[in-house]
Amino acid sequence: DAMVIQNPRYQVTQFGKPVTLSCSQTLNHNVMYWYQQKSSQAPKLLFHYYDKDFNNEADTPDNFQSRRPNTSFCFLDIRSPGLGDAAMYLCATSTGLAGGETQYFGPGTRLLVL
Amino acid sequence: EDQVTQSPEALRLQEGESSSLNCSYTVSGLRGLFWYRQDPGKGPEFLFTLYSAGEEKEKERLKATLTKKESFLHITAPKPEDSATYLCAAGYGNNRLAFGKGNQVVVIP
Repeated sequence: DAMVIQNPRYQVTQFGKPVTLSCSQTLNHNVMYWYQQKSSQAPKLLFHYYDKDFNNEADTPDNFQSRRPNTSFCFLDIRSPGLGDAAMYLCATSTGLAGGETQYFGPGTRLLVL
Repeated sequence: EDQVTQSPEALRLQEGESSSLNCSYTVSGLRGLFWYRQDPGKGPEFLFTLYSAGEEKEKERLKATLTKKESFLHITAPKPEDSATYLCAAGYGNNRLAFGKGNQVVVIP
């Protein structure tokens, strides 16, 4: 089945220790998104790629970076995690062909910062 | 500022007790209204997309409707397995979604 895969499902890191989260998709979608979701809050868009074009949200901290080496994979790098970065990180994809398309989400990676 | 508000925040239902969840939006240039189901510790699961006022979509015990300012998710005769958080999101601009905080639904057997 076509799907969005995130690894790992759970990640524990230490304060200030860089961490990378991974997302892959078999949907062949043009757009890939990274969201941060804290407990009982709405998902917050961090950035997205349309093909290789990177689109950063204005309020996304510089501590968060992303890479998309090819259509299938996208990575979220947190350069110096703080306690406030503990959250669920969600990857999503959409076709991006006309706007208003459905975004399909992966299972998420739960990040814990010690 | 574009905004999506969902009410009630939390809802406890007896099994079989039908109810409705509300999503009001102030997004300009709406490009689709989306409903997702999210179980604890998991990613959102797509349920419905609505594009035009008056549009309705159904799936099992769920029915979504859309007006010019609101969307409703009707849950008919819910079962315990319908317990989840239901997220509403408004599509706008360049492939973006504005999410509400969700309706947390608990269905008691």
